[in-house]
Amino acid sequence: SAVISQKPSRDICQRGTSLTIQCQVDSQVTMMFWYRQQPGQSLTLIATANQGSEATYESGFVIDKFPISRPNLTFSTLTVSNMSPEDSSIYLCSVEGSARNTEAFFGQGTRLTVV
Amino acid sequence: AQTVTQSQPEMSVQEAETVTLSCTYDTSESDYYLFWYKQPPSRQMILVIRQEAYKQQNATENRFSVNFQKAAKSFSLKISDSQLGDAAMYFCAYRRNTDKLIFGTGTRLQVFP
Repeated sequence: SAVISQKPSRDICQRGTSLTIQCQVDSQVTMMFWYRQQPGQSLTLIATANQGSEATYESGFVIDKFPISRPNLTFSTLTVSNMSPEDSSIYLCSVEGSARNTEAFFGQGTRLTVV
Repeated sequence: AQTVTQSQPEMSVQEAETVTLSCTYDTSESDYYLFWYKQPPSRQMILVIRQEAYKQQNATENRFSVNFQKAAKSFSLKISDSQLGDAAMYFCAYRRNTDKLIFGTGTRLQVFP
């Protein structure tokens, strides 16, 4: 299993500002995943972050709005830029298990409220 | 495209009773993986159980078991001897090989004493 530390756990931000969420894993992983969970909704994948290359974004998500960094095999950040109230969500970091095709492990999430 | 459907937005169960949460999925693949995740109010996503599609035997983890019907593309979760701590959102998820996880819309389970 993997232990994932995600910070901050929650934040209240003013519209128009940006917030950077950090994700730290206790072991080296190839891929890290960022999800958004809007209030009362399911999880939607924002992007996949590989170390040493640009993140791969899902349809509907763009790098200018959600820039991602992946400086090494244990760390990633997601920035939510130029925030609006519609960005109020839980953002979750996830990694795969060490063996192929095992389950995903998740951080505890960041609850973002934009006012 | 693969989709995952959970038709029960909310379910409730009495403590110590049994409840079944439904999940159906759509795929043309033969090799894939299915999961049930639990999300309590703490927001932490916790794996409850996983099933490999190539295995005919239904997965079991203590009080949790699944009824995997591959031909019907159905993957229900049975919780036996329900406990107050089982109250949470439950998400069914599908994954083909190393592709991304696709989640269902979730079922909120309430457990009454």
